[in-house]
Amino acid sequence: GQQLNQSPQSMFIQEGEDVSMNCTSSSIFNTWLWYKQDPGEGPVLLIALYKAGELTSNGRLTAQFGITRKDSFLNISASIPSDVGIYFCAGHKGGSEKLVFGKGTKLTVNP
Amino acid sequence: KAGVTQTPRYLIKTRGQQVTLSCSPISGHRSVSWYQQTPGQGLQFLFEYFSETQRNKGNFPGRFSGRQFSNSRSEMNVSTLELGDSALYLCASSLAFRSDTDTQYFGPGTRLTVL
Repeated sequence: GQQLNQSPQSMFIQEGEDVSMNCTSSSIFNTWLWYKQDPGEGPVLLIALYKAGELTSNGRLTAQFGITRKDSFLNISASIPSDVGIYFCAGHKGGSEKLVFGKGTKLTVNP
Repeated sequence: KAGVTQTPRYLIKTRGQQVTLSCSPISGHRSVSWYQQTPGQGLQFLFEYFSETQRNKGNFPGRFSGRQFSNSRSEMNVSTLELGDSALYLCASSLAFRSDTDTQYFGPGTRLTVL
């Protein structure tokens, strides 16, 4: 099935560094969602974006809904060890379409 | 408000057996979706239920089935298990059906291992 192009696949950073990851698609989406998944657990919703150009923050996390509606990015500032996990983007086209997921960005934070 | 709950959390089965997984959505949520997650394929959509009816289905064989009860709780069943069915099965609930302003909340998943 269709999936979003999420990059990078993995990142290794030092504690305190900022992180940026993004998702792109050839299709337009009406909603962009960002989830974080810890090992052995289900994805937890971090940020939801509903409008093109929207910039939303949740603590140290900031996400934007691209103007073209075909992309979104997530930034994490001043990373800490508990930021470790896999981050997924997801897009929804509206109507009866199902939610489409990226393959995830695995983040490792070295203390 | 309690989150999405899934039971059991872990399950070990052998090839050829069948398995039933259960999901209780967040109170008030009427839509339940199921996903299969594997390292190679990522999150793959299985099906979605709303008001006890299957509204959407992914590209999985007929061995995968599900149902939803009047209280919105859902079960999925996999018959004639194969080794490749080993995965984390995730359930997600949302308030309504396929509104693009409605977000899905995931349960912790059921880790199925097929030996």
